[in-house]
Amino acid sequence: DTGVSQNPRHKITKRGQNVTFRCDPISEHNRLYWYRQTLGQGPEFLTYFQNEAQLEKSRLLSDRFSAERPKGSFSTLEIQRTEQGDSAMYLCASSLAWQGLDTQYFGPGTRLTVL
Amino acid sequence: DQQVKQNSPSLSVQEGRISILNCDYTNSMFDYFLWYKKYPAEGPTFLISISSIKDKNEDGRFTVFLNKSAKHLSLHIVPSQPGDSAVYFCAASAAGNTNAGKSTFGDGTTLTVKP
Repeated sequence: DTGVSQNPRHKITKRGQNVTFRCDPISEHNRLYWYRQTLGQGPEFLTYFQNEAQLEKSRLLSDRFSAERPKGSFSTLEIQRTEQGDSAMYLCASSLAWQGLDTQYFGPGTRLTVL
Repeated sequence: DQQVKQNSPSLSVQEGRISILNCDYTNSMFDYFLWYKKYPAEGPTFLISISSIKDKNEDGRFTVFLNKSAKHLSLHIVPSQPGDSAVYFCAASAAGNTNAGKSTFGDGTTLTVKP
């Protein structure tokens, strides 16, 4: 299967702990996105990379959140000192942007529960 | 302020009939629009897209219509099948900006197709 994969699929943690999620995009895709989705809402943009460069971060992404894509392939999203409000589905998507048309393909997501 | 709105949280149709899902947007910079389908416990799956230079795009049973003057798009599914039952998200992006690519999503419409 050459789709977008995310690990872990589920994470339960206690408030104050750090968590890290991994995303492996479709291999030839140059862009990688992170979104967050809560119940009853659509995905909200967090940040995105073009190759290894992080080009944009949402104001939703507080200082406790950091994302990396060190070699332009997989990406990690770390949340430090988790809070209950961080509980959500974290979605990763990748795309091969061409002439401005950017169709993103999503992974299955990592569901985070902060107790 | 939500830039992409799906005003109908749910829609129920009979198998074989047409399903029409609607989406409105406010940002005139948006020029690329997508529809995604999402099943429970999975990430969104790309369905169909349309660029602002077109007013219609068709792919099998799925057709997307774009009315730029009204800032409105719709997804038609004909004929509807029980397997189409899912949450449908409308998304928009401003493809003309080289740093763009992030999509802004609506909150989704839950489609139920009854046998």
